[in-house]
Amino acid sequence: SQKIEQNSEALNIQEGKTATLTCNYTNYSPAYLQWYRQDPGRGPVFLLLIRENEKEKRKERLKVTFDTTLKQSLFHITASQPADSATYLCALVGGFKTIFGAGTRLFVKA
Amino acid sequence: EAGVVQSPRYKIIEKKQPVAFWCNPISGHNTLYWYLQNLGQGPELLIRYENEEAVDDSQLPKDRFSAERLKGVDSTLKIQPAELGDSAVYLCASSKTSGGVSGTDTQYFGPGTRLTVL
Repeated sequence: SQKIEQNSEALNIQEGKTATLTCNYTNYSPAYLQWYRQDPGRGPVFLLLIRENEKEKRKERLKVTFDTTLKQSLFHITASQPADSATYLCALVGGFKTIFGAGTRLFVKA
Repeated sequence: EAGVVQSPRYKIIEKKQPVAFWCNPISGHNTLYWYLQNLGQGPELLIRYENEEAVDDSQLPKDRFSAERLKGVDSTLKIQPAELGDSAVYLCASSKTSGGVSGTDTQYFGPGTRLTVL
């Protein structure tokens, strides 16, 4: 069955450092991969989308990579800030379906 | 532009009681989704509408869950009767599906309804 794995443990980093979150998947060939941010008590908010034929996508301090051979996406936040503290979800999109990972909790300390 | 609106935000009921959730998507968005999210997990799709047609309800427990989307705008998700295991956050999302490849459209989520079944 299709499976998505994100770091189950929370990631704690110091302000100003780069946060790197991982999304691995098996038994799936997504056409696209999306990253969302979710704050407590709120719904997920879309951040970035990367297609299967793209290796990297950037948006301001965010960078996403997508390796279809490794079946892995990396999500980077550079110059992290306490306001970046949230849960980050990856979502695989393909065949009219979107499958979400469980998310990784990020804490950025001032 | 107003976002996806959901109500109520919180609901506490006793098991075996019915409950209903309402969602108003972003204006002009033809695709509407209902998700269930358990604590520490990602959203899981229950049903997806394209306009007023339910195009994917394969994960909807049809013995107790039902949904409708009247006139292709607002939607209601109902549970009858509720069970203890139904306690979760119910998220509604909408997107403006463009012609051609589906699933590439950004989904906009509402704040969710937190259901507690006692």
